[in-house]
Amino acid sequence: DIHLTQSPSFLSASVGDRVTITCRASQGIRSYLAWYQQKPGGAPKLLIYAASTLQSGVPSRFSGSESGTEFTLTISSLQPEDFATYYCQQLNSYPWTFGQGTKVE
Amino acid sequence: QVQLVQSGAEVKKTGASVKVSCKASGYTFTNYPGISWVRQAPGQGLEWMGWIRVENGNTNYAQNLQGRVTMTTDTSTSTVYMELRNLRSDDTAVYYCARVGGSYYPLNLDYWGQGTLVTVSS
Repeated sequence: DIHLTQSPSFLSASVGDRVTITCRASQGIRSYLAWYQQKPGGAPKLLIYAASTLQSGVPSRFSGSESGTEFTLTISSLQPEDFATYYCQQLNSYPWTFGQGTKVE
Repeated sequence: QVQLVQSGAEVKKTGASVKVSCKASGYTFTNYPGISWVRQAPGQGLEWMGWIRVENGNTNYAQNLQGRVTMTTDTSTSTVYMELRNLRSDDTAVYYCARVGGSYYPLNLDYWGQGTLVTVSS
């Protein structure tokens, strides 16, 4: 199985901060990586797919990038509604594993 | 608008089975690769369970659930079902269905159901 390691697991930030979350894959996954946001009591919401493609309707302050097996989610200026838990997921090979999550608080 | 509506909460005894439904609307059901199921135990992260390709019913399940999980689809009603058998206490979780986005090859889980809480107790 491909293991995804997110860092950090917890992130303390303030409104207006630039926030970066990293997801490292245990082996190559090409660009088949997606990022999701989940708020307490709610379903996950797709933010980014194919490593860097912004899902329709998602604010442009969210962006994704990749370098080899390292993927990054960046929030350019944190907004109050962005405090949530973020997950990466690989869809390159089965099982489609998730990272352990990063809570932004 | 795209909607995935799941069946309601369930309480089951250890060893029983549960079947959760996920009804899709707002798009052409067979124009997207399929439906995936993801679960989340209380206070824990997301766990991928598997997915079903709706055009032909082909499935792929997580290894740790093989033999206990079955996903089926009814294209006439745009509904997907997930059955989990021989329930254990650690199956207690919120179960989500999600549409698999992409033209043919899966790229993401772009729309999610509201979640179904399954509680397993002895």
